[in-house]
Amino acid sequence: AQSVTQLGSHVSVSEGALVLLRCNYSSSVPPYLFWYVQYPNQGLQLLLKYTTGATLVKGINGFEAEFKKSETSFHLTKPSAHMSDAAEYFCAASGSARQLTFGSGTQLTVLP
Amino acid sequence: DSGVTQTPKHLITATGQRVTLRCSPRSGDLSVYWYQQSLDQGLQFLIHYYNGEERAKGNILERFSAQQFPDLHSELNLSSLELGDSALYFCASSVVEGGNSPLHFGNGTRLTVT
Repeated sequence: AQSVTQLGSHVSVSEGALVLLRCNYSSSVPPYLFWYVQYPNQGLQLLLKYTTGATLVKGINGFEAEFKKSETSFHLTKPSAHMSDAAEYFCAASGSARQLTFGSGTQLTVLP
Repeated sequence: DSGVTQTPKHLITATGQRVTLRCSPRSGDLSVYWYQQSLDQGLQFLIHYYNGEERAKGNILERFSAQQFPDLHSELNLSSLELGDSALYFCASSVVEGGNSPLHFGNGTRLTVT
């Protein structure tokens, strides 16, 4: 079964600073990878999904994720944080089991 | 708006009781997934249905059951409720099963067991 690890349960950045949220997956065969965002009292929304062969995936709201097979990582970045980016972010992976396995989530706080 | 509808939004009930959570997937989506989100366990996959058939089970307790009906809506039944069952229950849908098909989540049902 897939395993997804998100380093850092809480990340704080200043408005305008770089956002970096870390995600590592456990598989020798790259699974399908996703990033989701959850705002308070809402369900999860898809930010982006990995496309086979790509190394940099662009998502909504200015977010990107870089796929590094050698490091089994799929870190999420945004060049300049905005107050509205404050939310919880989940990395997820699905493989042959046809079920999406989520990481434990990273709560992003954006400081004014 | 994801197009996935979950009812009710909130549910408060007592230990030992039984409740039913309902989910209507996005129009055209055949797959329905149920997840439980709690502070200590995070997001846990419970069960997956595709076009009325059970396709995969995750960490679902024997006290819990689900089904997907011919009109594709799904219900999650929780019985003999315990305090530890208090959580946010999400339904998600997708066009096909797993793989590269992203899930579209409803806003969840918050269950409080007292």
